[in-house]
Amino acid sequence: QQQVKQSPQSLIVQKGGISIINCAYENTAFDYFPWYQQFPGKGPALLIAIRPDVSEKKEGRFTISFNKSAKQFSLHIMDSQPGDSATYFCAASRGYSTLTFGKGTMLLVSP
Amino acid sequence: DTGVSQDPRHKITKRGQNVTFRCDPISEHNRLYWYRQTLGQGPEFLTYFQNEAQLEKSRLLSDRFSAERPKGSFSTLEIQRTEQGDSAMYLCASSLERLGIAFFGQGTRLTVV
Repeated sequence: QQQVKQSPQSLIVQKGGISIINCAYENTAFDYFPWYQQFPGKGPALLIAIRPDVSEKKEGRFTISFNKSAKQFSLHIMDSQPGDSATYFCAASRGYSTLTFGKGTMLLVSP
Repeated sequence: DTGVSQDPRHKITKRGQNVTFRCDPISEHNRLYWYRQTLGQGPEFLTYFQNEAQLEKSRLLSDRFSAERPKGSFSTLEIQRTEQGDSAMYLCASSLERLGIAFFGQGTRLTVV
């Protein structure tokens, strides 16, 4: 049973464009939703996170949108840069406990 | 370097051998997690410790796997009688309970031949 579904599997965006990655969750007990960025050969690094009491959180070029009723959340990367090319994982947890990850989205930003 | 440290970074072993990985968390972090990541997949939870107590184990953690965190500091993950299906990246993460943000190490890539 996959508790966090992520799409798309891969994404190609032109430099300066907007990258959008979507996730849906099933467990209504989840109350913490982070996004991680992973480069090849490295461990995942926290990018941005949100709790369900807000519908949007922005940090620099990265924004999380959260829809509690639909049990969906998304990551928007504005003004995408080649250095953003990486694999992005959404995740969810109950409290600050064990994370359930999506399968990942491989983003390629073309110059 | 004050991040999560894992050793070794790479391990190649023959099927049936035992392997042990080490994780040194960020100092003062009381929670330590082990995850497994296979190619093209997200990390999957294996087990976690709060201080020295192992609080949760995934059903993925078969009886060939054992983890310890003596004295609530570093942790080891041992796999006995390795199988080809154990080939994966083993990730360690740590967090401070009250803040919750999990920081990951660079992982140990295991290849079973």
